[in-house]
Amino acid sequence: SQELEQSPQSLIVQEGKNLTINCTSSKTLYGLYWYKQKYGEGLIFLMMLQKGGEEKSHEKITAKLDEKKQQSSLHITASQPSHAGIYLCGADIIGNQFYFGTGTSLTVIP
Amino acid sequence: DTAVSQTPKYLVTQMGNDKSIKCEQNLGHDTMYWYKQDSKKFLKIMFSYNNKELIINETVPNRFSPKSPDKAHLNLHINSLELGDSAVYFCASSPHSSGRQETQYFGPGTRLLVL
Repeated sequence: SQELEQSPQSLIVQEGKNLTINCTSSKTLYGLYWYKQKYGEGLIFLMMLQKGGEEKSHEKITAKLDEKKQQSSLHITASQPSHAGIYLCGADIIGNQFYFGTGTSLTVIP
Repeated sequence: DTAVSQTPKYLVTQMGNDKSIKCEQNLGHDTMYWYKQDSKKFLKIMFSYNNKELIINETVPNRFSPKSPDKAHLNLHINSLELGDSAVYFCASSPHSSGRQETQYFGPGTRLLVL
């Protein structure tokens, strides 16, 4: 079973459109991390969320951790081709174990 | 049916020792990776390897060496362990490394503590 489920698995959007990627856990998340996979460089850290209701933004990317701390969403506003890639969530879950999500592949069509 | 497995899960050892961490994937993937996760949960890629190419992050000390007996395995050998090597090490694999982005599948991690 997968501790962290991401949806959708893949996403194709037109440049300029907004999009949302979700990361859901069946257990309480003690820390939620978003990464972007960059070819040749591995995972690039985007943002970290720890408190329920916390929201962080960087450029056109916003991530939020819900109040119950069991789901996080990553929202991209006015998507650009540079946003294309694979987005992965990672989380501290009970038992001091770190898990990774299933990944979301984003394609942005110019 | 574990896709990417690592052994051991925990490793406690003395400074100066040599140790290995094993990684196996049964997904038939061509490319495997090693990452180091620090105390702030930042992931730093150490190596990526397929049967054609080894890409080494130049910041990785040469005390760390990947060894791949076959396509399904990529072991991490560490010589002369130092205190700063303490971290969680993650192995990952992806279908292939052709310039296209492929989702990586991660192992459960190995917690290394150097005393």
